[in-house]
Amino acid sequence: DIQMTQSPSSLSASVGDRVTITCRASQSITTYLHWYQQKPGKAPQLLIYAASSLQSGVPSRFSGSGSGTDFTLTISSLQPEDFATYYCQQSYNTPRTFGQGTKVEIE
Amino acid sequence: QITLKESGPTLLKPTQTLTLTCTFSGFSLSTSGVGVGWIRQPPGKALEWLALIYWDDDKRYSPSLKSRLTITKDTSKNQVVLTMTNMDPVDTATYYCAQSNNWNRAFHYWGQGTLITVSS
Repeated sequence: DIQMTQSPSSLSASVGDRVTITCRASQSITTYLHWYQQKPGKAPQLLIYAASSLQSGVPSRFSGSGSGTDFTLTISSLQPEDFATYYCQQSYNTPRTFGQGTKVEIE
Repeated sequence: QITLKESGPTLLKPTQTLTLTCTFSGFSLSTSGVGVGWIRQPPGKALEWLALIYWDDDKRYSPSLKSRLTITKDTSKNQVVLTMTNMDPVDTATYYCAQSNNWNRAFHYWGQGTLITVSS
């Protein structure tokens, strides 16, 4: 199985801050990497697919980059509605593994 | 508009078999490249991928759960069914179905999830 490791596991930030979350794969996954946002009690929502493509309807303050084993999700200016848990997921092969999540909290 | 909704029992006893149905609309599982997967999330924990079925009946399973899982589709009813045998309290989780594809293979659309509790 490909292991996905996110860092940090949690972070505290303020509205307006630039936030960066990283995800590392245990082997190359080219760009088969996706980012999801999950709010408490809700289903995950796709933010970024194929490492850097913005899902329709997602604000442009979200961006993704990377290829191979190292990936980044960036929120350029954190908004109140962005406080949530973020997951990366690889789809290079099965099982389609997820990272352990990064919880973004209000500072 | 694409929607998915999970249905099934909310409470099971240990050793029982779970049968979950994902009923979807806005797309067809007979369309080339389309897939539907199942993902679960124990309370307070991370997401775990379980299984996936594609339009051509290609099926993929989590290796750690493969012996307990079966995924099937009914294209005429727009449904995907997941069965999991020999349920245990550690299987208590919210179970989600989600639409995927065989291009970027992301889960673009998700159901609301259904909480399954396993307890004697």
